[in-house]
Amino acid sequence: DARVTQTPRHKVTEMGQEVTMRCQPILGHNTVFWYRQTMMQGLELLAYFRNRAPLDDSGMPKDRFSAEMPDATLATLKIQPSEPRDSAVYFCASGAGTGGEQYFGPGTRLTVT
Amino acid sequence: AQSVTQLDSQVPVFEEAPVELRCNYSSSVSVYLFWYVQYPNQGLQLLLKYLSGSTLVESINGFEAEFNKSQTSFHLRKPSVHISDTAEYFCAVSDPYNFNKFYFGSGTKLNVKP
Repeated sequence: DARVTQTPRHKVTEMGQEVTMRCQPILGHNTVFWYRQTMMQGLELLAYFRNRAPLDDSGMPKDRFSAEMPDATLATLKIQPSEPRDSAVYFCASGAGTGGEQYFGPGTRLTVT
Repeated sequence: AQSVTQLDSQVPVFEEAPVELRCNYSSSVSVYLFWYVQYPNQGLQLLLKYLSGSTLVESINGFEAEFNKSQTSFHLRKPSVHISDTAEYFCAVSDPYNFNKFYFGSGTKLNVKP
């Protein structure tokens, strides 16, 4: 049963600390997406990759957020320094190509105090 | 950017009653359309999708959605809901110039009561 995995599932940290979230896309999928979900803003696309290359990160605060794909089996989203307003659930999703559905991971619930 | 509107933030309904969750989008050109379901503390799961062809699409658990180009709508329906259908439902629309990029609605919480 192929699925997207995310670690950690929960993270509580203090303001100013670095946070790294990891995602393992479904094997063979060539597109990876990072979303943020909050009560106020709903589901927002932060960045996405195709074949490990970043295609669009316009939704991501550039000064503190960074997203990378070191290899085809790992995507990372880093926040440095973290702020309370970054508290949200961060989802990773992967897809097999143009027009196909996106498969979501279980999310990382981040709380910044 | 696409605009996706889910007018109802919450829909309470009794078990075995029919339900319709509304979704409207802003594009006048071809797009792909999706409904996702999110159960508490879980990620989103694809419920059904419209890419082309028949305007009526169905899911395996009794939901259906109809693509209406003239009204730019993709409403989700189920003739008889179960308690287990209680969840939040998201409509998503692809960017017409980049089909990999989705825009999500704000979600509709379906609360099925016994």
